[in-house]
Amino acid sequence: NAGVTQTPKFQVLKTGQSMTLQCAQDMNHEYMSWYRQDPGMGLRLIHYSVGAGITDQGEVPNGYNVSRSTTEDFPLRLLSAAPSQTSVYFCASSRGEAGYTFGSGTRLTVV
Amino acid sequence: GQQLNQSPQSMFIQEGEDVSMNCTSSSIFNTWLWYKQDPGEGPVLLIALYKAGELTSNGRLTAQFGITRKDSFLNISASIPSDVGIYFCAGHAAGSARQLTFGSGTQLTVLP
Repeated sequence: NAGVTQTPKFQVLKTGQSMTLQCAQDMNHEYMSWYRQDPGMGLRLIHYSVGAGITDQGEVPNGYNVSRSTTEDFPLRLLSAAPSQTSVYFCASSRGEAGYTFGSGTRLTVV
Repeated sequence: GQQLNQSPQSMFIQEGEDVSMNCTSSSIFNTWLWYKQDPGEGPVLLIALYKAGELTSNGRLTAQFGITRKDSFLNISASIPSDVGIYFCAGHAAGSARQLTFGSGTQLTVLP
């Protein structure tokens, strides 16, 4: 059981570049979400999905897109990277209101 | 969005001491969760609370869902070096069913 798998673990982008952060879970969880973590600010919700084909915005959605074509996968796309998007990104999944399982994170630097 | 006020921001304690941290909100929460994050890793769930007044233990950890539904605390008894890390409270606000809001974290350092 792999849990929640995020790739890549590290990434450096130039301003204006686009990229996709991958997230996959093998627990058949219907709920998936993306958070960013910045020093002293805890984790802030970017986008979330309550099931395949359904996505919605969280607290800080600007500059990011998501899609949920399957239960297992929930990729996060950065459309045009900016230095303000330098952060650690976490994907999480859950079933019902049980505890969320987090991936190990993607550390993104935008230069 | 919803905000959780977590305190203290950091703690330095001696090994063997007990620790207490708490989280408050101006809004009612339906669930409270406590997570621990080790360096370079994602948060790991420690305790989940689902009912007002609920008191739950997980080994040396005890957490309570406040009766007003606007606060929660986490206690760690007899701290050990591996307790070092960042502890986060999180919760589902009433009316925000699937959106989990996080506190800003408590950095715990355990001195030998």
